[in-house]
Amino acid sequence: DIVMTQSPDSLAVSLGERATITCKSSQSVLYSSNNKNYLAWYQQKPGQPPKLLISWASTRESGVPDRFSGSGSGTDFTLTISSLQAADVAIYYCQQYYDTPGVTFGQGTRVEIK
Amino acid sequence: EVQLVESGGGLVQPGGSLRLSCAASGFIFSSNWMHWVRQGPEKGLVWVARISSEGTSTRYADSVKGRFTISRDNTRNTLYLQMNSLRAEDTAVYYCARVSDDSGSFFGDWGQGTLVTVSS
Repeated sequence: DIVMTQSPDSLAVSLGERATITCKSSQSVLYSSNNKNYLAWYQQKPGQPPKLLISWASTRESGVPDRFSGSGSGTDFTLTISSLQAADVAIYYCQQYYDTPGVTFGQGTRVEIK
Repeated sequence: EVQLVESGGGLVQPGGSLRLSCAASGFIFSSNWMHWVRQGPEKGLVWVARISSEGTSTRYADSVKGRFTISRDNTRNTLYLQMNSLRAEDTAVYYCARVSDDSGSFFGDWGQGTLVTVSS
C-alpha cells in the first residue's frame, strides 16, 4: 500500500495569513502515460463528512474558494490556504488514488485559528 | 442534487453482524462505482471496500476481507455493506462515497455516515 504522510499534524494560523500543509507519498503517484498526479485533498469539519476540495493534485472543485490551491508532483504535494478564514477551521486530508482499489489517506492535519 | 443516505448502524456485540445501506439519489446510480470508507473515533479515513457500477467486481481492505461483503441493487439505487464477525476495531462511522470521475477514484460525494459501535 502507498503510505501518505502529512505534516504538520496540526497548525494554528492567524486570520488572513497563509496556511500550508504538505503530503508525502511513499511512492510516486504520477502516472507517466497521462502525466497526471493521482492525488486529492479533502476538508472535514466536525460532525460532517469529508468534502472534496482538489483532485489531480491541483484541480479545484467547482465552488471551492480560490484561496485553496494544490501543487506538487510525484511524491511531494502541498495544500495552501492563501488567506485563512474562520470557515476554514477543519481537518484536511490528502488521498492517493494511483494504487486502486485500495486508496489511502494521510493521517490528517488540523487547522486552527491562532 | 446528489444525495447519499446511510442507515443500519448501531450497537452490536463482538462477533455479531450488521447490514448497512446507502440510498442514492440525484444521479444515475448504475453508472457509478461506489465505495465504503470508515472513520474510527477521533481517527482518520480508511478505505473499506468498493464495487463496480454493475456490481460484478468487488474489492476489500485486508482488514475486512472475508468478513464484509459489499453489494448493490441498481433497481433500488441502494448500496449495501454486510458486516459479519464484527470486532471492536470495526467501531467507526461508515460513509458511502461516490466516484464522480471515471478516470480516478476520488470521492466527489459522501453520505453523512452511520455509526457502528462494536462492544459488549
